[in-house]
Amino acid sequence: QVLMVESGGGVVQSGGSLRLSCAAAGLGFNTYGFHWLRQAPGKGLEWVTYIHYDGSFNVYADSVKGRFTISRDTSKNMLYLQMNSLKPEDTAVYYCAGENCANKFCRKTFVYWGQGVQVTVSS
Amino acid sequence: QSALTQPRSVSGSPGQSVTITCAGTSSDIGAYNFVSWYQQLPGKAPKVVIYAVNERPSGVPDRFSGSKSGNTASLTISGLQAEDEATYHCCSYAGSYTHYVFGGGTEVTVL
Repeated sequence: QVLMVESGGGVVQSGGSLRLSCAAAGLGFNTYGFHWLRQAPGKGLEWVTYIHYDGSFNVYADSVKGRFTISRDTSKNMLYLQMNSLKPEDTAVYYCAGENCANKFCRKTFVYWGQGVQVTVSS
Repeated sequence: QSALTQPRSVSGSPGQSVTITCAGTSSDIGAYNFVSWYQQLPGKAPKVVIYAVNERPSGVPDRFSGSKSGNTASLTISGLQAEDEATYHCCSYAGSYTHYVFGGGTEVTVL
């Protein structure tokens, strides 16, 4: 059974930093790309960032580029999101999600999701 | 404002069929066969019910089906059941710059 568990959320002042973690278990970590997505209160989902299954590249939404950094630790089956220069509009539930990249073909689907972690940025 | 356009809500009686549309552009839905749909129960994480336009993950009932025509994708739930009451989000890959775009979500109510 696949389990993804986020942690590290909380309340932070505008301009502050937070580091989210996501522990992944029950899947072939090295064959999955990972994403962070978020959902602001009462809003739809927003894709935030992605790191490739082999860690060779990562990409970001324009709204977070230059402020957020995604990383992964293969030895610990962990995914991270370092969030700096936080703004009130970053307030949302943040989800980590896995994308199957078996045989080096990524399916462009968020297959497994964590339960989400709340990030609140106060002004 | 979301990049993809979905109706805010749809409803149907048990046993009926409902279809949710998701309108995009030639840069996302029209360009790629990477449309996926996610079911989200209140207070829960989303769960994929359709990927690659019309593929169903194992464990998802076959009453869920997906399709695409031009720049618009659709999710149909046939034989609606009470447990299908949820919000459904459409998503499309949109290339190496924009990456992924979502709709605003459609709330499905079972009357």
